[in-house]
Amino acid sequence: DAKTTQPNSMESNEEEPVHLPCNHSTISGTDYIHWYRQLPSQGPEYVIHGLTSNVNNRMASLAIAEDRKSSTLILHRATLRDAAVYYCPRDNYGQNFVFGPGTRLSVLP
Amino acid sequence: EAGVAQSPRYKIIEKRQSVAFWCNPISGHATLYWYQQILGQGPKLLIQFQNNGVVDDSQLPKDRFSAERLKGVDSTLKIQPAKLEDSAVYLCASRTDSGNTIYFGEGSWLTVV
Repeated sequence: DAKTTQPNSMESNEEEPVHLPCNHSTISGTDYIHWYRQLPSQGPEYVIHGLTSNVNNRMASLAIAEDRKSSTLILHRATLRDAAVYYCPRDNYGQNFVFGPGTRLSVLP
Repeated sequence: EAGVAQSPRYKIIEKRQSVAFWCNPISGHATLYWYQQILGQGPKLLIQFQNNGVVDDSQLPKDRFSAERLKGVDSTLKIQPAKLEDSAVYLCASRTDSGNTIYFGEGSWLTVV
């Protein structure tokens, strides 16, 4: 059961940009790329998603490689509230998501 | 808009006892999921419903886990009898038919002692 791959952990300083990478080498042409994050003691929450073009919203930006085999979630100015586990789950034929262990982001004051 | 509601939030039971978790998805969401999240791991899908029909239950341990969504709205996940390794957070999530976004509840934390 192929999953996406992410670094186990990353660290950032407060108010600096953070680039969180994800490899999804088995992605199909019609599957969306999704990013979720999970704050302590909470369920995962939606961050952003895209198909081919880069996407921006109030929370983050999503940069998608031309071959769609990788993507990068960009937090433009990390805050302490952004400390969480970030997931880029595999889209399972548009039916559900397959989650890996994600990247634990620590933000240092 | 109200989010996905789950209860109870926390539960501690002894092994071999039974437990049930309840989920009320976002109004109008036809698809409902139950995920299990063990500490330090990502969520793992247990079962997916479309209205009141099961779409995928391939990873549900059917000898001890059961789930139902009788009227296509609320859902209940039951574990009987519980084992120590069932200690986890049980996450309910929902999605519209046409949507790409899955919305999660806060989860029900189970500790089996």
